Amino acid sequence: DIQMTQSPSSLSASVGDRVTITCRASQSIDSFLNWYQHKPGKAPNLLIYGASRLQSGVPSRFSGSGSGTDYTLTISSLQPEDFATYYCQQSYSAPRTFGQGTKVEI
Amino acid sequence: EVQLVESGGGLVQPGESLRLSCAASGITLSSSWMYWVRQAPGKGLVWVSRINGDESIIKYADSVKGRFTISRDNAKNTLYLQMDSLRAEDTAVYYCARDEFNGGWFAFDFWGQGTLVTVSS
Repeated sequence: DIQMTQSPSSLSASVGDRVTITCRASQSIDSFLNWYQHKPGKAPNLLIYGASRLQSGVPSRFSGSGSGTDYTLTISSLQPEDFATYYCQQSYSAPRTFGQGTKVEI
Repeated sequence: EVQLVESGGGLVQPGESLRLSCAASGITLSSSWMYWVRQAPGKGLVWVSRINGDESIIKYADSVKGRFTISRDNAKNTLYLQMDSLRAEDTAVYYCARDEFNGGWFAFDFWGQGTLVTVSS
Protein backbone atom coordinates (compact mmCIF):
# COMPACT_ATOMS: atom_id res chain seq x y z
CA ASP A 1 0.00 0.00 0.00
CA ILE A 2 1.10 3.59 -0.66
CA GLN A 3 1.93 5.46 2.55
CA MET A 4 0.84 9.08 2.90
CA THR A 5 2.55 11.46 5.32
CA GLN A 6 1.06 14.84 6.22
CA SER A 7 2.64 17.74 8.00
CA PRO A 8 2.10 19.35 10.34
CA SER A 9 -0.16 17.14 12.45
CA SER A 10 -1.75 20.27 13.89
CA LEU A 11 -1.45 24.00 13.57
CA SER A 12 -2.81 27.09 15.24
CA ALA A 13 -4.01 29.92 13.05
CA SER A 14 -6.25 32.96 13.09
CA VAL A 15 -9.06 34.10 10.87
CA GLY A 16 -7.58 35.66 7.75
CA ASP A 17 -4.33 33.68 7.91
CA ARG A 18 -2.89 31.84 4.93
CA VAL A 19 -2.55 28.17 5.82
CA THR A 20 -0.48 25.52 4.04
CA ILE A 21 -0.59 21.76 4.65
CA THR A 22 1.76 19.35 2.94
CA CYS A 23 1.40 15.71 2.01
CA ARG A 24 4.06 13.31 0.79
CA ALA A 25 3.46 9.94 -0.84
CA SER A 26 5.80 6.97 -0.51
CA GLN A 27 5.96 6.77 -4.32
CA SER A 28 4.93 8.92 -7.24
CA ILE A 29 1.14 9.16 -7.50
CA ASP A 30 0.92 11.27 -10.69
CA SER A 31 -1.41 13.91 -9.19
CA PHE A 32 -3.94 11.30 -8.01
CA LEU A 33 -4.22 13.21 -4.76
CA ASN A 34 -7.37 14.33 -2.99
CA TRP A 35 -7.98 16.59 0.01
CA TYR A 36 -10.88 16.26 2.46
CA GLN A 37 -12.17 18.45 5.27
CA HIS A 38 -13.57 16.68 8.31
CA LYS A 39 -15.48 18.26 11.16
CA PRO A 40 -16.49 16.35 14.34
CA GLY A 41 -19.76 14.49 13.95
CA LYS A 42 -19.96 15.20 10.23
CA ALA A 43 -19.15 13.30 7.07
CA PRO A 44 -15.78 14.10 5.49
CA ASN A 45 -16.12 16.53 2.59
CA LEU A 46 -14.16 16.39 -0.68
CA LEU A 47 -12.37 19.69 -1.34
CA ILE A 48 -9.79 19.00 -4.03
CA TYR A 49 -9.31 16.09 -6.43
CA GLY A 50 -6.63 15.40 -8.99
CA ALA A 51 -4.22 17.47 -6.85
CA SER A 52 -5.55 20.86 -7.98
CA ARG A 53 -9.17 20.51 -9.12
CA LEU A 54 -11.73 22.24 -6.94
CA GLN A 55 -14.78 20.13 -6.14
CA SER A 56 -18.07 21.79 -7.08
CA GLY A 57 -19.36 24.06 -4.34
CA VAL A 58 -16.03 24.42 -2.53
CA PRO A 59 -14.92 28.03 -1.92
CA SER A 60 -12.09 29.31 -4.10
CA ARG A 61 -9.94 30.13 -1.06
CA PHE A 62 -9.02 26.43 -1.12
CA SER A 63 -6.39 25.39 -3.63
CA GLY A 64 -4.12 22.44 -4.24
CA SER A 65 -0.84 21.94 -6.00
CA GLY A 66 1.97 19.47 -6.41
CA SER A 67 3.20 16.59 -8.48
CA GLY A 68 5.09 13.35 -8.14
CA THR A 69 5.28 12.61 -4.43
CA ASP A 70 4.76 16.08 -2.89
CA TYR A 71 1.50 17.99 -2.62
CA THR A 72 0.12 21.06 -0.87
CA LEU A 73 -3.28 22.30 0.27
CA THR A 74 -3.53 26.05 0.74
CA ILE A 75 -6.30 28.04 2.38
CA SER A 76 -5.69 31.61 1.23
CA SER A 77 -7.65 33.38 3.99
CA LEU A 78 -8.83 31.19 6.84
CA GLN A 79 -12.49 31.57 7.75
CA PRO A 80 -14.20 30.54 11.02
CA GLU A 81 -15.89 27.59 9.30
CA ASP A 82 -12.51 26.24 8.14
CA PHE A 83 -11.41 25.08 11.57
CA ALA A 84 -11.39 21.33 11.03
CA THR A 85 -9.12 18.37 10.31
CA TYR A 86 -7.79 17.99 6.78
CA TYR A 87 -6.75 14.70 5.18
CA CYS A 88 -4.91 13.94 1.99
CA GLN A 89 -5.68 10.69 0.15
CA GLN A 90 -4.02 9.01 -2.80
CA SER A 91 -6.25 7.59 -5.51
CA TYR A 92 -3.40 6.33 -7.72
CA SER A 93 -3.89 2.75 -6.61
CA ALA A 94 -6.08 0.63 -4.40
CA PRO A 95 -6.55 0.62 -1.53
CA ARG A 96 -7.03 4.36 -1.24
CA THR A 97 -4.88 5.45 1.69
CA PHE A 98 -5.03 8.60 3.79
CA GLY A 99 -2.56 10.82 5.51
CA GLN A 100 -2.80 10.99 9.28
CA GLY A 101 -4.60 14.33 9.20
CA THR A 102 -3.84 17.94 10.06
CA LYS A 103 -5.97 19.62 12.69
CA VAL A 104 -6.39 23.35 12.08
CA GLU A 105 -7.34 25.13 15.30
CA ILE A 106 -7.38 28.58 16.76
CA GLU B 1 -29.94 14.61 -3.63
CA VAL B 2 -27.44 11.89 -2.83
CA GLN B 3 -27.55 10.39 0.65
CA LEU B 4 -25.64 7.60 2.33
CA VAL B 5 -27.07 6.71 5.72
CA GLU B 6 -25.24 4.31 8.02
CA SER B 7 -26.87 2.41 10.84
CA GLY B 8 -26.25 -0.58 13.07
CA GLY B 9 -23.56 0.72 15.37
CA GLY B 10 -23.66 0.26 19.11
CA LEU B 11 -21.96 -1.04 22.24
CA VAL B 12 -20.89 -4.68 22.19
CA GLN B 13 -18.56 -6.87 24.20
CA PRO B 14 -15.33 -8.32 22.80
CA GLY B 15 -15.99 -11.35 20.64
CA GLU B 16 -19.50 -10.29 19.70
CA SER B 17 -20.84 -9.33 16.27
CA LEU B 18 -22.52 -6.35 14.61
CA ARG B 19 -23.81 -5.67 11.13
CA LEU B 20 -23.53 -2.16 9.77
CA SER B 21 -25.76 -0.92 6.96
CA CYS B 22 -25.29 1.93 4.50
CA ALA B 23 -28.51 2.81 2.72
CA ALA B 24 -28.08 4.82 -0.47
CA SER B 25 -30.43 7.17 -2.26
CA GLY B 26 -29.73 9.23 -5.32
CA ILE B 27 -26.99 6.85 -6.48
CA THR B 28 -26.96 3.21 -7.53
CA LEU B 29 -24.55 1.18 -5.42
CA SER B 30 -24.42 -1.67 -7.93
CA SER B 31 -22.52 0.56 -10.36
CA SER B 32 -20.15 2.00 -7.76
CA TRP B 33 -16.95 1.14 -5.96
CA MET B 34 -17.78 1.44 -2.27
CA TYR B 35 -15.53 1.63 0.77
CA TRP B 36 -15.94 1.28 4.49
CA VAL B 37 -13.59 3.67 6.30
CA ARG B 38 -13.20 3.98 10.07
CA GLN B 39 -11.87 6.55 12.50
CA ALA B 40 -10.80 5.35 15.93
CA PRO B 41 -10.98 7.86 18.80
CA GLY B 42 -8.32 10.51 18.35
CA LYS B 43 -7.01 8.88 15.18
CA GLY B 44 -7.26 9.45 11.44
CA LEU B 45 -9.23 7.87 8.61
CA VAL B 46 -8.34 4.30 7.69
CA TRP B 47 -9.84 2.13 4.98
CA VAL B 48 -11.41 -1.10 6.17
CA SER B 49 -12.92 -2.80 3.14
CA ARG B 50 -13.88 -2.18 -0.48
CA ILE B 51 -16.18 -3.73 -3.04
CA ASN B 52 -16.70 -3.10 -6.74
CA GLY B 53 -19.95 -2.85 -8.65
CA ASP B 54 -20.41 -6.51 -9.52
CA GLU B 55 -18.83 -7.79 -6.28
CA SER B 56 -16.04 -9.48 -8.24
CA ILE B 57 -13.40 -7.55 -6.30
CA ILE B 58 -13.57 -7.49 -2.51
CA LYS B 59 -10.64 -6.52 -0.31
CA TYR B 60 -10.01 -6.06 3.40
CA ALA B 61 -7.42 -4.33 5.52
CA ASP B 62 -5.13 -6.82 7.26
CA SER B 63 -6.49 -5.72 10.63
CA VAL B 64 -9.99 -7.03 9.84
CA LYS B 65 -9.31 -9.83 7.36
CA GLY B 66 -11.11 -13.02 8.32
CA ARG B 67 -13.40 -11.22 10.77
CA PHE B 68 -15.30 -8.66 8.63
CA THR B 69 -17.39 -9.29 5.52
CA ILE B 70 -18.54 -6.62 3.07
CA SER B 71 -21.60 -7.20 0.93
CA ARG B 72 -24.42 -5.37 -0.80
CA ASP B 73 -28.11 -5.88 -1.56
CA ASN B 74 -28.76 -4.26 -4.91
CA ALA B 75 -32.53 -4.55 -4.55
CA LYS B 76 -32.35 -2.50 -1.36
CA ASN B 77 -29.48 -0.32 -2.67
CA THR B 78 -27.71 -1.00 0.61
CA LEU B 79 -24.10 -1.80 1.54
CA TYR B 80 -23.29 -3.92 4.58
CA LEU B 81 -20.36 -4.68 6.83
CA GLN B 82 -20.69 -7.81 8.93
CA MET B 83 -18.26 -7.54 11.83
CA ASP B 84 -17.51 -10.70 13.81
CA SER B 85 -15.11 -11.45 16.65
CA LEU B 86 -14.98 -7.78 17.52
CA ARG B 87 -12.03 -6.44 19.47
CA ALA B 88 -11.50 -3.32 21.53
CA GLU B 89 -9.31 -1.93 18.75
CA ASP B 90 -12.29 -2.03 16.38
CA THR B 91 -13.88 0.79 18.37
CA ALA B 92 -14.41 3.60 15.87
CA VAL B 93 -16.84 5.62 13.84
CA TYR B 94 -17.50 3.71 10.62
CA TYR B 95 -18.23 5.55 7.38
CA CYS B 96 -19.32 4.28 4.00
CA ALA B 97 -18.10 6.22 0.99
CA ARG B 98 -18.34 6.06 -2.80
CA ASP B 99 -15.11 5.96 -4.80
CA GLU B 100 -16.13 7.71 -8.00
CA PHE B 101 -14.28 8.11 -11.30
CA ASN B 102 -14.93 11.60 -12.64
CA GLY B 103 -13.13 13.34 -15.48
CA GLY B 104 -10.14 11.03 -15.24
CA TRP B 105 -9.77 11.15 -11.46
CA PHE B 106 -10.91 9.00 -8.56
CA ALA B 107 -12.21 10.45 -5.30
CA PHE B 108 -14.61 9.70 -2.46
CA ASP B 109 -17.34 12.10 -3.53
CA PHE B 110 -20.08 11.00 -1.15
CA TRP B 111 -19.82 9.84 2.46
CA GLY B 112 -22.27 8.81 5.11
CA GLN B 113 -22.46 10.59 8.46
CA GLY B 114 -20.93 7.63 10.28
CA THR B 115 -22.06 5.12 12.90
CA LEU B 116 -20.23 4.55 16.18
CA VAL B 117 -19.10 1.08 17.16
CA THR B 118 -17.84 0.63 20.72
CA VAL B 119 -16.31 -2.68 21.78
CA SER B 120 -15.89 -2.86 25.53
CA SER B 121 -16.52 -5.22 28.41
